[in-house]
Amino acid sequence: DTAVSQTPKYLVTQMGNDKSIKCEQNLGHDTMYWYKQDSKKFLKIMFSYNNKELIINETVPNRFSPKSPDKAHLNLHINSLELGDSAVYFCASSQGDTTLAKNIQYFGAGTRLSVL
Amino acid sequence: SQKIEQNSEALNIQEGKTATLTCNYTNYSPAYLQWYRQDPGRGPVFLLLIRENEKEKRKERLKVTFDTTLKQSLFHITASQPADSATYLCALDSGYSTLTFGKGTMLLVSP
Repeated sequence: DTAVSQTPKYLVTQMGNDKSIKCEQNLGHDTMYWYKQDSKKFLKIMFSYNNKELIINETVPNRFSPKSPDKAHLNLHINSLELGDSAVYFCASSQGDTTLAKNIQYFGAGTRLSVL
Repeated sequence: SQKIEQNSEALNIQEGKTATLTCNYTNYSPAYLQWYRQDPGRGPVFLLLIRENEKEKRKERLKVTFDTTLKQSLFHITASQPADSATYLCALDSGYSTLTFGKGTMLLVSP
């Protein structure tokens, strides 16, 4: 039973298209995240949601729009895809910054997006 | 903003030796620091967490130290094995239940 699952695993598309990546966690966590890992392997946070509410929105183009229908799901929709959007996108979840959990994060396997 | 530096992009060692990876940070005093392992084509996996009031933490062959004066954490793998080959990421508490990750060090353990 995968704890954090994201689909699709691979996504190849043309510039200008709109695409979505889905993420689901079955850990009962309140907080979910989207990260982008570029070609240099740098893992950078994009968004953080707590109980369906946006907490953090780093400097991300507004072509990227996260949506959280419930606290177990956080989807990422990308409009007008550009070449520079090519990267691996990771979804993660955590129990948040509690005394015990200390924001330990559980990651999905990643979605490799290639924009041609 | 925080800056995190991991000592090198790649580290090659021989099987059986101790691998030591370094994580240095500036501009912040995190309440805790975490280490993750990432294998090719996979998401990072949590390994260890160390709090600001802890000097050292161990888990099997892994040991983490945290020096808040030097603003540095060291991650040790003793008796390293080829299966330990992976990229290791350090991450700092950034507030608002978020982490800031370093770029990682790729460890290669040769038989």
